[in-house]
Amino acid sequence: AQTVTQSQPEMSVQEAETVTLSCTYDTSENNYYLFWYKQPPSRQMILVIRQEAYKQQNATENRFSVNFQKAAKSFSLKISDSQLGDTAMYFCAFMKPREKGGADGLTFGKGTHLIIQP
Amino acid sequence: DADVTQTPRNRITKTGKRIMLECSQTKGHDRMYWYRQDPGLGLRLIYYSFDVKDINKGEISDGYSVSRQAQAKFSLSLESAIPNQTALYFCATSDFTGTANTGELFFGEGSRLTVL
Repeated sequence: AQTVTQSQPEMSVQEAETVTLSCTYDTSENNYYLFWYKQPPSRQMILVIRQEAYKQQNATENRFSVNFQKAAKSFSLKISDSQLGDTAMYFCAFMKPREKGGADGLTFGKGTHLIIQP
Repeated sequence: DADVTQTPRNRITKTGKRIMLECSQTKGHDRMYWYRQDPGLGLRLIYYSFDVKDINKGEISDGYSVSRQAQAKFSLSLESAIPNQTALYFCATSDFTGTANTGELFFGEGSRLTVL
């Protein structure tokens, strides 16, 4: 079974700073998908970024980027120029490849509560 | 209107009561999921469904049942609620039939259940 570990239960940074949230996972699969979801106080789950394991290039979405280290099974999220609206819970998630049961759902980490201070 | 709609948004009930949480979607997705979120535990999968004839248990299915009444509707029931089922419940959908499948889950807004 896959496991996803987020070792930082809570982080706090000043507005405009850069912050990195860590995520490690355990799998025997070679191809898979990784996600970061954001949950603001409104409790809505919002996809931040997605990475396919077979792609070498790290995914980026505006101020959000990942550092994907496949050999180390690490998938960290970097938020640049952090804003007050980035305050949220952030969840890292893993999905097996489709042909190996990927449609069975995502496995989530326990989350990191990120607080952006003014 | 939201693509994935959950009702009720909030519910307080008593131990032993039967509770149903409902989910409907307009995305046309085949896959539907129920997750439970607890502080410090993240999201854990309760049940998932591929279509109306296919129901599968997730990691924490004990004490729960589901019904897929139609492709667009997936309900979660607690036959006899207990206090440790107090949690935030999410319904989600995913499209695994399209060529543009990304594996992304699309979530409803959550149903907060409190069992006293």
